[in-house]
Amino acid sequence: DTEVTQTPKHLVMGMTNKKSLKCEQHMGHRAMYWYKQKAKKPPELMFVYSYEKLSINESVPSRFSPECPNSSLLNLHLHALQPEDSALYLCASSQVPGASYEQYFGPGTRLTVT
Amino acid sequence: GQQVMQIPQYQHVQEGEDFTTYCNSSTTLSNIQWYKQRPGGHPVFLIQLVKSGEVKKQKRLTFQFGEAKKNSSLHITATQTTDVGTYFCAGQSGGYNKLIFGAGTRLAVHP
Repeated sequence: DTEVTQTPKHLVMGMTNKKSLKCEQHMGHRAMYWYKQKAKKPPELMFVYSYEKLSINESVPSRFSPECPNSSLLNLHLHALQPEDSALYLCASSQVPGASYEQYFGPGTRLTVT
Repeated sequence: GQQVMQIPQYQHVQEGEDFTTYCNSSTTLSNIQWYKQRPGGHPVFLIQLVKSGEVKKQKRLTFQFGEAKKNSSLHITATQTTDVGTYFCAGQSGGYNKLIFGAGTRLAVHP
C-alpha cells in the first residue's frame, strides 16, 4: 500500500467554523507533512512531524493547529479561518524525516472559506 | 532565504516536440527531486538526483544535476498528451531539513 489518503476531498467552511482535515498512511512512514497549495503555485510547507513530534512549523498562524495522534494519522484543525486561507491542503509522508527522501502526497483537501 | 528558481513558467508544445525545464539555486544543493502534478491532481515523485553531474533516464524523460550541484534540468523527448501537467523541482540545501520547491513549469501539449 503506497497510498496517502485524505478526507474530506472538499470542504466549505465559514470564518467562524471549526473543522478538521485528516490524513492517513499505512506505509510505516515516520515523517508526515502538511502543505498548502494555491492555484498555479508550488506546495508551501506548513508543518513537519518526525516520529509523531512536531519538528517544523513554518510560522503558520495559530488558526491552523496540527496533531499527530499516532504514526499513521495526521490531522489539521482549522478555526476562525480567513478567505485567503482557501487553497488545496496536501498531506505527504516520507519513510523517515529528512529532505533526501521522496515524499508521497495525498490527493488533497480543497478548502473554501466563505 | 533559500530559493530554487525554475523556468520557464509555462510551455506550450505540439505533440512530438521536445520540452525542457530548468532549475537553478544560488546555493549548493544536497539533492534535487522532481515531481509531476497533473491538472486537478497532486504532486507525484519522479526522481531524485544526488551526485554531481548525475544523469538519469526514465523512458522519454532525462534528468540532469549540474556539476556544481546548483542546477538541474528535466528534458522530455517527443512529448505526448499524457505529459501534460506541472513539473516541479524541489531541492534541499545545507542544514535545511526540508524541500524547497521551484515555482513549477506548466506543460501544455497540443495534438
